[in-house]
Order: sequence, then C-alpha cells, then structure tokens
Amino acid sequence: EDKVVQSPLSLVVHEGDTVTLNCSYEVTNFRSLLWYKQEKKAPTFLFMLTSSGIEKKSGRLSSILDKKELFSILNITATQTGDSAVYLCALGNYGQNFVFGPGTRLSVLP
Amino acid sequence: DVKVTQSSRYLVKRTGEKVFLECVQDMDHENMFWYRQDPGLGLRLIYFSYDVKMKEKGDIPEGYSVSREKKERFSLILESASTNQTSMYLCASSPDRGQYFGPGTRLTVT
Repeated sequence: EDKVVQSPLSLVVHEGDTVTLNCSYEVTNFRSLLWYKQEKKAPTFLFMLTSSGIEKKSGRLSSILDKKELFSILNITATQTGDSAVYLCALGNYGQNFVFGPGTRLSVLP
Repeated sequence: DVKVTQSSRYLVKRTGEKVFLECVQDMDHENMFWYRQDPGLGLRLIYFSYDVKMKEKGDIPEGYSVSREKKERFSLILESASTNQTSMYLCASSPDRGQYFGPGTRLTVT
C-alpha cells in the first residue's frame, strides 16, 4: 500500500527563520511527488517533482526529490507570517490517483 | 490558468436527504477526483474518474456514488446524507501528473 509520511507534523518558528519540511514515501510505481500549501481554503499547488536531484525554486521556496532514498524536502527561507499554513505532500502513482500525507502545520510568529 | 469550480461553497442538509456536489473543470483534463478533508485525518480519496463514464473507488467510497457523463463535469452524490458525512469536500482535476483543486464545499448534515 502506498504511503506518505511527513515530519514534523507541527512547527513553530519566528519570522526570518529557515525551515525544512520532510516528506518520505513508499510507493509501488512512482510517477510524481507534489507539494501544496493549504491555508483556510483548498490546497494550492507549489511544486511537482519527478526526477531526483533537480531543485525546483519559486521565490523563497525550494524543493528537491531523492528517489533513491524515497524522500523530498521543502525549504522555506526568510519565513514570513504569510507562510503560516499546512504544507501537504502528495504522491502520484501510475494508478492515476494521489496519496496525501497528513501535512505539516507551520506557524510563523512575528 | 486552470479553473476548477464547485457548485457550492457552503451547504447545509438534513439527515436522509440526497445531496449532489458538482465539480467542473475547463481544461479538458482526463482525471478528476473527489476528496473529503477532516481535522486529524487529512485528505482522503472518495472516488476518481479517468475518463467519461469511468470511475474508480478510492479509500472511503461507502455512502457515496459519482457520475461522469461529460469530461468537464464530475458529480459526487450522497444517496442518504448522514451526520458523519459532515466535512469539507474537495474536487481536483489532473492533466497528467499534477493536480489542481477547486475551492471546496463545506457540507454540514444536521
């Protein structure tokens, strides 16, 4: 059974800190790994990763995938209060569906 | 921009009522999904569809059915709503290996 584990489940930091969120997985047929940010509404898409070692960047956010060790990390540098959200990792498999992790709740204090 | 819309943002129904939740996407995507999201349980897949008239059960299909008569529209049906179906329902649409979410419908069954 495909499985996604995220750590930590909850994190509190101060503005300006750098955070690293972890996502590890077990999958039969890997297709893609996705990161989402969810505030008080539906998840919004951040990154899709399909290849190992290639960093995806968007502003202060970046993510990388290691298909050998079966994990991905999401980095946020110089955090701001607007980064407070639940960050979801999801695994896409060749069954064409997606398995979600439980999420990491990030709180950024001023 | 991909657009996924859901028929209602908030819905209140009585126990035993038949409930229809509609999802429409405007990008000609093959795959569409219905999830429910509950505190502490994360996102759970109810049903997904990879083509018109095709459907697959997800992790928690009991008490639900779906309909996909046209490519752009995927409906979730609660045949006889129960209080344990009070939840946030999220529809998603997928072009290939990514996924885009609608705004969600918060359903309360009293």
